[in-house]
Amino acid sequence: AQSVTQLDSQVPVFEEAPVELRCNYSSSVSVYLFWYVQYPNQGLQLLLKYLSGSTLVKGINGFEAEFNKSQTSFHLRKPSVHISDTAEYFCAVSDPILNSGYSTLTFGKGTMLLVSP
Amino acid sequence: DAGITQSPRHKVTETGTPVTLRCHQTENHRYMYWYRQDPGHGLRLIHYSYGVKDTDKGEVSDGYSVSRSKTEDFLLTLESATSSQTSVYFCAISERQTQNTEAFFGQGTRLTVV
Repeated sequence: AQSVTQLDSQVPVFEEAPVELRCNYSSSVSVYLFWYVQYPNQGLQLLLKYLSGSTLVKGINGFEAEFNKSQTSFHLRKPSVHISDTAEYFCAVSDPILNSGYSTLTFGKGTMLLVSP
Repeated sequence: DAGITQSPRHKVTETGTPVTLRCHQTENHRYMYWYRQDPGHGLRLIHYSYGVKDTDKGEVSDGYSVSRSKTEDFLLTLESATSSQTSVYFCAISERQTQNTEAFFGQGTRLTVV
């Protein structure tokens, strides 16, 4: 089974500063990675995904992530954050179910991004 | 937004009582999932379904059962609720279950077992 590690449970940052949220995954022959965002009292919304091709993936709300196979990382970045980016961010990996042909998503424990003025 | 409705949105129940949470989708997606979200644990898969009457266990299935009698509805039942099942429960759907397919999530149900 795949696993995902989000190294920071909380990241405080000032408005307009850059931010990086870290994500590492367990290695696999092929890997598909996702970042989701959860605003307070809401469900999860897809930010971006890496399926193949370019290692730099752009998502919604100005976020981007870089897939690094040698470091088994998929860090999320934004050059300038806003107050409205305050939310919890989850990294997820597609996890194949042995001998079934199906897969599910395995999530990291989440990183709370706290943006202050 | 994907058409996913979870009901109820909030529930308080007593230890030992049965509880059923409902997930209803209007997207006609084949695959549906139940996750629970707990602080420090992220989201963990409880059960999933790959079609009507086809379900399987996830990582934390003990104490839970599911049923799917129609494409649009996926029910999660706690046969005898315990305090450890206090959590936020999310339903998710996906059109395919290949590895490159994302899931769409409902708004969640906050369950408190007292």
